[in-house]
Formats: sequence, C-alpha cells, structure tokens
Amino acid sequence: DTEVTQTPKHLVMGMTNKKSLKCEQHMGHRAMYWYKQKAKKPPELMFVYSYEKLSINESVPSRFSPECPNSSLLNLHLHALQPEDSALYLCASTSRADRSYNEQFFGPGTRLTVL
Amino acid sequence: DQQVKQNSPSLSVQEGRISILNCDYTNSMFDYFLWYKKYPAEGPTFLISISSIKDKNEDGRFTVFLNKSAKHLSLHIVPSQPGDSAVYFCAASHTGTASKLTFGTGTRLQVTL
Repeated sequence: DTEVTQTPKHLVMGMTNKKSLKCEQHMGHRAMYWYKQKAKKPPELMFVYSYEKLSINESVPSRFSPECPNSSLLNLHLHALQPEDSALYLCASTSRADRSYNEQFFGPGTRLTVL
Repeated sequence: DQQVKQNSPSLSVQEGRISILNCDYTNSMFDYFLWYKKYPAEGPTFLISISSIKDKNEDGRFTVFLNKSAKHLSLHIVPSQPGDSAVYFCAASHTGTASKLTFGTGTRLQVTL
C-alpha cells in the first residue's frame, strides 16, 4: 500500500462549526505533515509530526488543532474558521523526518470552503 | 523571501519535443531537491529527486540536472506527452531541517498535439 488517503474530499462549513479532516497511511512512515494550498500558490507547511509527536508548528492559528492518534493516522480539527481559511488541505508522509533524502508522499487533499 | 523560485509560470511544448522546466534557489544550505507534478484538485505526485552530491539523475523520460554553483536545477522531459500537462513544483530541503520542504511557485506545462 503506497497511498496516503484523506477524508473527506470536500467540506463546506460555517464559521461556527467544528469539523475534522482525516489522513491515513499504511506505508510504515513515521513522519506526517499538514499543508495548506491556496489557488495558484505552492503548498505551505502547517504542522509536522515525527514519531507521533508534534515537531513543527509553523505559527498556525489555534483554530487549527492537529492530532496524531497513532503512527498511521493524522487529524486536523477545525473550529471557528474564517472564509480566508478556504483552501486545499494536503496531508503528506515520509519514512522519517530526521533524515535527509526522503521524498514526501501526498494525499489527494480536502477542498475546504468556509462560508 | 522566496527561497525557491520558478520564474516561468507557464510553458507550452509540442508533443514529442523536450520540455525544460527551471528552478532557482537562494539558500546554499539546501542539499536535496525534488520535483512534483500536480493535476487540479489532486495532491502533488513525486516525480524525481536529486541530492547535492550529484549533478544528474535520470528516471525514464525524466532527468533532473543540478548546478550547485549557479544554484539552479532543471527538469527535462523527453519526449513530452499530452498526459504530462500539469503544474510542476520544484522543492528543496536541507539536512538541518529535514522535515521541511520549501516549494517553488510552480510552472504550468501544456503539451500540445
């Protein structure tokens, strides 16, 4: 299994809603990432989990809350989002975050629209 | 501060010809470089990578060249096929922060019949 899966594919939410994005990989990777991508822009790193511990938070607002329940799963909990948070949210994984020369494998993304 | 730049936002190439996508970087600490291909509404797909100890890496129709002194890399696709039409991102990382990929702004490649 060489896939990173993400659910849901699309999500529309109001500014007062609470929702979660889910990411899963079964490649035995020990590092997982959340990225945000706006139209016509490159992916921007949000969070990195290494061995199920948060190792990088790129100064992301607290309305985004990541969680790594186990080595295969990564969640992103959303609360009180703003319309400008509408974007494609990408999950990625790699074998280890503490080594160079590792490519990251991306999931298909969740298209989030905040009304 | 854009540390990885792709100065051509778009490129159009005829089917069967060579596509050359360019990428420049400013951070001399970068030691690993990757190319990703992205279709609309999908996640980026890893294509090919190169470490700073090499100047060329080849995989089928895809070849990446690295010129460290010029801080420049390029992706060659030969022969180009219509299915290659997509946005191509170059990305870079360095040993000190192996977790982080810094992406360029992307080049949209259109392969015409």
